[in-house]
Amino acid sequence: GESVGLHLPTLSVQEGDNSIINCAYSNSASDYFIWYKQESGKGPQFIIDIRSNMDKRQGQRVTVLLNKTVKHLSLQIAATQPGDSAVYFCAAGRGSARQLTFGSGTQLTVLP
Amino acid sequence: GAGVSQSPRYKVAKRGQDVALRCDPISGHVSLFWYQQALGQGPEFLTYFQNEAQLDKSGLPSDRFFAERPEGSVSTLKIQRTQQEDSAVYLCASSGSGSSQNEQFFGPGTRLTVL
Repeated sequence: GESVGLHLPTLSVQEGDNSIINCAYSNSASDYFIWYKQESGKGPQFIIDIRSNMDKRQGQRVTVLLNKTVKHLSLQIAATQPGDSAVYFCAAGRGSARQLTFGSGTQLTVLP
Repeated sequence: GAGVSQSPRYKVAKRGQDVALRCDPISGHVSLFWYQQALGQGPEFLTYFQNEAQLDKSGLPSDRFFAERPEGSVSTLKIQRTQQEDSAVYLCASSGSGSSQNEQFFGPGTRLTVL
């Protein structure tokens, strides 16, 4: 089966610095990956996704990097802002199996 | 509607009671998912519908859990004879078709507390 893990349960960064959140997955058959942001009392909010035929994708202030060789992906947030404070989850999916397998989350805290 | 809505937002049940949790997906979304999220953990897949068909229920933890989507829109997750270990946030997500089929939009969840 698939397991998805995050390297650090908590991450604190200074406002304005860049943040990097890492994630490892176990199933080499996983072919798409999504990063979600979850604020307290809310459902996960889509940030960015990437398919396995890509190794990098950029959005607004966010970049996802995928290394299929070591089954690792990361989320980079540029110029981290207080509003970025939340729990971040990576999730993996594969083929026709529409379910997502989530990691346990990293709590990002932005310090003033 | 503008997003996925769920009701009730909070539910307290006594052990042994039956509960029903409702999900209204984004209008036109064919796929609907239910996840269970324990405190401090990531969501775990329960079941998946495409229109009214339940295509995957492999994540339902026991036969006390039952989900339906009879008309291919609103879905209900029912838990019979609730147990304390059922306490969690139950999240519903929906997704469209074609190029956007992988992006699941989540509702705010229903926090179930079983006493």
